[in-house]
Amino acid sequence: NAGVTQTPKFQVLKTGQSMTLQCAQDMNHNSMYWYRQDPGMGLRLIYYSASEGTTDKGEVPNGYNVSRLNKREFSLRLESAAPSQTSVYFCASKNGGGETQYFGPGTRLLVL
Amino acid sequence: GENVEQHPSTLSVQEGDSAVIKCTYSDSASNYFPWYKQELGKRPQLIIDIRSNVGEKKDQRIAVTLNKTAKHFSLHITETQPEDSAVYFCAASITGNTPLVFGKGTRLSVIA
Repeated sequence: NAGVTQTPKFQVLKTGQSMTLQCAQDMNHNSMYWYRQDPGMGLRLIYYSASEGTTDKGEVPNGYNVSRLNKREFSLRLESAAPSQTSVYFCASKNGGGETQYFGPGTRLLVL
Repeated sequence: GENVEQHPSTLSVQEGDSAVIKCTYSDSASNYFPWYKQELGKRPQLIIDIRSNVGEKKDQRIAVTLNKTAKHFSLHITETQPEDSAVYFCAASITGNTPLVFGKGTRLSVIA
């Protein structure tokens, strides 16, 4: 099993450009999550999908949209990138409450 | 919503000494408390977790304690080794599909 995978690993964008971060898991997990990690700020939840067909806002959703394409895939879209979105983005998945949450390897995004 | 506070933000210990990281949570309904370790440039990985029906859990040199009345839980690492150097995150959630809420992290440095 590959676990949780993310693409791309690294991306540079100019202000105003758009892009989609891809995430997939092969563990048949119901729930998937997108976090951003900034120095000194820990892991902040952007959006999550508790089950296929549902999405909900997290702590810092502004400037982002998500799509739960199917049970395996959960994408994060930046419509008009801003320098404040420079961060490391982690996707994660788990199979319900009290279960281990697994993280992907992360996407390092730089917005100039 | 849930708020998790973590202290200290940085911790340096001599190799062989013990390290203690403390977290408090705000929502008394939270009942699942994992700890993650993140090495430089890597993804967070679960090292130990505890549920609210248990007061303490040990796994070799790592232990976690939970005080539900005071709403705090702690990570204890004994006989620290250089490979324990990393950022540690605590988290809390209500079982079910509610997302984990993370503390801001503790950077542990083990000095040889």
